[in-house]
Amino acid sequence: QKEVEQNSGPLSVPEGAIASLNCTYSDRVSQSFFWYRQYSGKSPELIMSIYSNGDKEDGRFTAQLNKASQYVSLLIRDSQPSDSATYLCAVMFYSGAGSYQLTFGKGTKLSVIP
Amino acid sequence: EAQVTQNPRYLITVTGKKLTVTCSQNMNHEYMSWYRQDPGLGLRQIYYSMNVEVTDKGDVPEGYKVSRKEKRNFPLILESPSPNQTSLYFCASSSYNEKLFFGSGTQLSVL
Repeated sequence: QKEVEQNSGPLSVPEGAIASLNCTYSDRVSQSFFWYRQYSGKSPELIMSIYSNGDKEDGRFTAQLNKASQYVSLLIRDSQPSDSATYLCAVMFYSGAGSYQLTFGKGTKLSVIP
Repeated sequence: EAQVTQNPRYLITVTGKKLTVTCSQNMNHEYMSWYRQDPGLGLRQIYYSMNVEVTDKGDVPEGYKVSRKEKRNFPLILESPSPNQTSLYFCASSSYNEKLFFGSGTQLSVL
């Protein structure tokens, strides 16, 4: 079974600090990786997608991917109280015959303390 | 407006009474999927569909059925709901290898 692992948290950081969220996955052939943010009672929304090794930056967010270590992370710089949410790591696993399956980790709850 | 529409938003039912949660997308997406979300367990995939008439089991398919007769619709059917199916359900769709668009969710309670 394909697995995506995240620390459940909660992770608490002071306002203005860097929040670091980590994710590991079980399948070496996975090619697509996503970070979603979910506020309580709401639908997940996409923060970042990353497809190749290295860093990808978008505003205050940086996604990092290391396929050899099967590891993907999300850094949030200058954390704001509005960043307080659950962050979900998602990995696209290929099931063969043109089929793919997007599997989510259990999520890390982030609290940014004013 | 591009969206995934799920109905109903809230549903309370009794054990054994068949129900259907509807899902429709207006983005011509090939891929559609159903997830359930439970505290401490995250989002778990129930069923997914790569295209019309093509459906596959996800990680927790027991007790659920789906169909994909049209590209835009992907209903979730609970033939005989049980209390352990009380959960928050999300429908989602995407183009190949692109981000998932989620519906607003359906909070189901089975008494």
